[in-house]
Amino acid sequence: ETGVTQSPTHLIKTRGQQVTLRCSSQSGHNTVSWYQQALGQGPQFIFQYYREEENGRGNFPPRFSGLQFPNYSSELNVNALELDDSALYLCATTGGGFIDSPLHFGNGTRLTVT
Amino acid sequence: DQQVKQNSPSLSVQEGRISILNCDYTNSMFDYFLWYKKYPAEGPTFLISISSIKDKNEDGRFTVFLNKSAKHLSLHIVPSQPGDSAVYFCAAIGTNSGGSNYKLTFGKGTLLTVNP
Repeated sequence: ETGVTQSPTHLIKTRGQQVTLRCSSQSGHNTVSWYQQALGQGPQFIFQYYREEENGRGNFPPRFSGLQFPNYSSELNVNALELDDSALYLCATTGGGFIDSPLHFGNGTRLTVT
Repeated sequence: DQQVKQNSPSLSVQEGRISILNCDYTNSMFDYFLWYKKYPAEGPTFLISISSIKDKNEDGRFTVFLNKSAKHLSLHIVPSQPGDSAVYFCAAIGTNSGGSNYKLTFGKGTLLTVNP
């Protein structure tokens, strides 16, 4: 039981639509990161939020955006969905002090774009 | 370009024997390495880590070895148990890469199957 909860678990969208994925942080964890895991690949870093501000971003276009709320929960928004956006989206949280508190992942949201 | 490589997509071992999972990296800025285990329909769970100032870290049945000059690390599981069957991801981070940015770079994973 990681304490990181993601919703929904599965989602099917059509190309060109927009989607919002949600993540509830483990208690006391103020840093949230989002990762995309395509089939047969390892997770890829999308971005990270700390105290409601983005403070790190991977190689993803601006149509991938996020929010972090005062209770440290988070959203990942993807606009103008493309077929290649089909993947497992993982949220991960940490309470800081990375060496002593490795990332804790949720079970992910499986997004299918048709 | 893949900065973290796990060249074996799968590994099969007998229960009670040793499992050795390998990982290579190319980015010399990486100075902290982690192994995560992932069961189907679950998120990755942290297993063990090692700093680049060490060459070995042990936690119960799990030991990680780091050869910094070869940019190679390995995870040893002894003895292997059927419950260890999962996908194992190697991940790396450069802790000096910028403040509190916890960007992990993952390999593609190795599917370990432990046969009873």
